[in-house]
Amino acid sequence: EAGVAQSPRYKIIEKRQSVAFWCNPISGHATLYWYQQILGQGPKLLIQFQNNGVVDDSQLPKDRFSAERLKGVDSTLKIQPAKLEDSAVYLCASSLGVRGFYTEAFFGQGTRLTVV
Amino acid sequence: DAKTTQPPSMDCAEGRAANLPCNHSTISGNEYVYWYRQIHSQGPQYIIHGLKNNETNEMASLIITEDRKSSTLILPHATLRDTAVYYCIVSLGGSYIPTFGRGTSLIVHP
Repeated sequence: EAGVAQSPRYKIIEKRQSVAFWCNPISGHATLYWYQQILGQGPKLLIQFQNNGVVDDSQLPKDRFSAERLKGVDSTLKIQPAKLEDSAVYLCASSLGVRGFYTEAFFGQGTRLTVV
Repeated sequence: DAKTTQPPSMDCAEGRAANLPCNHSTISGNEYVYWYRQIHSQGPQYIIHGLKNNETNEMASLIITEDRKSSTLILPHATLRDTAVYYCIVSLGGSYIPTFGRGTSLIVHP
């Protein structure tokens, strides 16, 4: 079974530039998550999708971050404009998302963003 | 969601049991305890979860106290490949996985 695919693996940009990350979840997984992990900290949930609808985006800095999940499959996370504090690893995860049951989340390897 | 408290670091000898504690004294009755781990430069990996009863799978055992205010993750025979950061998370369940804390950095030494 193929895992969660993310690209690019690494990205270096200057502050105030824009950047986009792409995630392809495991086939058939209804739930998709984006996390931000700053060095030395645990992952922080940015946004959760159920199919193509947003379940939770309470911690997404909406003035500069946006995310979409077209057709309930792939997803993109965009930062515009980037700040130095956005330097982090951006993790995508997916799960089956069966209502009422816990289904484990599978994580991709992440995209390491460095803002200079 | 209830917050959790974990020791920042622990170490264990290879082949011995690793017992990782987690305090979640404000857990509510319908919140689950989840454990994930993150090996260096990889995404987190699910280990196990439970509500009230102790749970065991091929990776680990989860012991939850009767009052559910704390739990222990047990790796029965730790190997070098178990060196990772272990996260204890409390959540209402379903498919919702909130922010992870700082976790416990476990180092398994020869």
